Amino acid sequence: GENVEQHPSTLSVQEGDSAVIKCTYSDSASNYFPWYKQELGKGPQLIIDIRSNVGEKKDQRIAVTLNKTAKHFSLHITETQPEDSAVYFCAASTDGNQFYFGTGTSLTVIP
Amino acid sequence: GAVVSQHPSRVICKSGTSVKIECRSLDFQATTMFWYRQFPKQSLMLMATSNEGSKATYEQGVEKDKFLINHASLTLSTLTVTSAHPEDSSFYICSARDLYLNTEAFFGQGTRLTVV
Repeated sequence: GENVEQHPSTLSVQEGDSAVIKCTYSDSASNYFPWYKQELGKGPQLIIDIRSNVGEKKDQRIAVTLNKTAKHFSLHITETQPEDSAVYFCAASTDGNQFYFGTGTSLTVIP
Repeated sequence: GAVVSQHPSRVICKSGTSVKIECRSLDFQATTMFWYRQFPKQSLMLMATSNEGSKATYEQGVEKDKFLINHASLTLSTLTVTSAHPEDSSFYICSARDLYLNTEAFFGQGTRLTVV
């Protein structure tokens, strides 16, 4: 089955700086890679996703890059704000079926 | 965006009893629903996948007789934790998608189950 690894497990940045979270996956059949933000006691919320036919996608301060050959993808948050503080999960899926999640990154943005 | 409603948000039950958790898609047809379990400060672990009208497919290590999943309609799936024990205490999260429209998976807000 799919194995998704995520680094780092914790990340602290100053407000206004950038944050980068990286994930690797093992199954070459995976073709859909969403990123989720989870606040305490709540379910995950999709923040951005990328499909395997695209190398990069950007939505305002958030961007995701995908390297299919190396089987890794990354989340980039620029101009971080305190409200970006949360746990972020990457996931890998084949055609939107079973989602396999990374271990999560706890991001703290220091005002 | 699409909304998935999960109920209850919190439940406390006694050991040995059963608890049912509901997951509803409010504005789309959930042809496929997923149930996850999340321990504190850990990732989401997929428990099972269910397609409307079919039996659920359970991940390895998940007891299908303990975690009963019903997906009888396109808008509702239920997870019943039978004969609950304290070790079943966890955060349970559902997600749903419309397979035919190839939508993203939308997540419910989760259910905190505490077995005492």
